[in-house]
Amino acid sequence: GAGVSQSPSNKVTEKGKDVELRCDPISGHTALYWYRQRLGQGLEFLIYFQGNSAPDKSGLPSDRFSAERTGESVSTLTIQRTQQEDSAVYLCASSSSASYNSPLHFGNGTRLTVT
Amino acid sequence: AQTVTQSQPEMSVQEAETVTLSCTYDTSESDYYLFWYKQPPSRQMILVIRQEAYKQQNATENRFSVNFQKAAKSFSLKISDSQLGDAAMYFCAYRRGNEKLTFGTGTRLTIIP
Repeated sequence: GAGVSQSPSNKVTEKGKDVELRCDPISGHTALYWYRQRLGQGLEFLIYFQGNSAPDKSGLPSDRFSAERTGESVSTLTIQRTQQEDSAVYLCASSSSASYNSPLHFGNGTRLTVT
Repeated sequence: AQTVTQSQPEMSVQEAETVTLSCTYDTSESDYYLFWYKQPPSRQMILVIRQEAYKQQNATENRFSVNFQKAAKSFSLKISDSQLGDAAMYFCAYRRGNEKLTFGTGTRLTIIP
């Protein structure tokens, strides 16, 4: 079946502009994660949605970052007033929570460049 | 908070040889899961292998196996008969229950032909 889809795959924006990144998880997956990966570095946790529970927002680096998810479907990560340090690949992943050892299925990410 | 440490930023191995990537983690929990993910240049994260903490037997997936030392909080990945396609970033990860998945900083593996 279809995997996790992220759009756009690349985004170039000017400093100070707002951007929206979209993630379509695998159908039926109740858990959805956003991670940030700066060039050559590891995955930095941003936010985690699990079913109807309150999202874990502990990784959001500032109030310029926010994310929403409607039910168990699409999620949108919004970055307001972008800064150059926001340049990174933003990865989305989903998993089934039927078992907590279920692996994450990742999208190919959105490469954000802030000029 | 749980932390995952990968102390080897880069590793290289001759093709067909064996290489071991290190991972340690810090947790006060007794029941959790550990994972190794691979990220090739295509950027796609791929699950390599996973280990349940309550299982003493080390997980194995074809050429990939782990050495899980629960008391030492160590979870190393061994790749046997290394192939060119194994070249990638490898990330160790920890998860407890339905909590978030926490990743290490990664090890870049180079395969020397």
